[in-house]
Amino acid sequence: AQTVTQSQPEMSVQEAETVTLSCTYDTSESDYYLFWYKQPPSRQMILVIRQEAYKQQNATENRFSVNFQKAAKSFSLKISDSQLGDAAMYFCAYRPFSGGYNKLIFGAGTRLAVHP
Amino acid sequence: AAGVIQSPRHLIKEKRETATLKCYPIPRHDTVYWYQQGPGQDPQFLISFYEKMQSDKGSIPDRFSAQQFSDYHSELNMSSLELGDSALYFCASSSYVRLAGFTGELFFGEGSRLTVL
Repeated sequence: AQTVTQSQPEMSVQEAETVTLSCTYDTSESDYYLFWYKQPPSRQMILVIRQEAYKQQNATENRFSVNFQKAAKSFSLKISDSQLGDAAMYFCAYRPFSGGYNKLIFGAGTRLAVHP
Repeated sequence: AAGVIQSPRHLIKEKRETATLKCYPIPRHDTVYWYQQGPGQDPQFLISFYEKMQSDKGSIPDRFSAQQFSDYHSELNMSSLELGDSALYFCASSSYVRLAGFTGELFFGEGSRLTVL
């Protein structure tokens, strides 16, 4: 079974500091995508960053970067220079691409608090 | 750019009533997904459609049904509503094939919040 595990239910960080959210996944697929979604109190699902499994280079989007370790099936999110607006629930998600219409599988989420 | 449109945004129903949620995918997207997210939970996959045919089925109760129409919009029908059906229902869309600019992501609507009293 394909699963996504986020072992940190809650994390906190001081404003302007750096925080890393952990994610591991289990799959036998070779072609897949990994994502981090942010869900603020409005509960809108916002894509933060994506990673294609066939790309070895870690994805970066401004203050957000990932550490993708394919062999270890690990996909952590690093948030640099944390801002109050980063406070939200963060979901790691996995999507195989063997069939084109494969669903997104979510982890349980990590609630991030940012303290001034 | 056009996004996934869901309606209604908020819905309040009594127990045992029926509710219908609608989803309009991004133009040229041929696949629609439905997710249910309870309070404090991660989104749970319900069902998906590709080219108007059911492509995958998750933890969708038998009281729920869904379909995708010829214009690719989808509707989720929920009958005999229970208190536990109160949740945020997301619709997402994607393209089946790797078109130019394909990113692999599912594009989410803003969700329909169902409250069952």
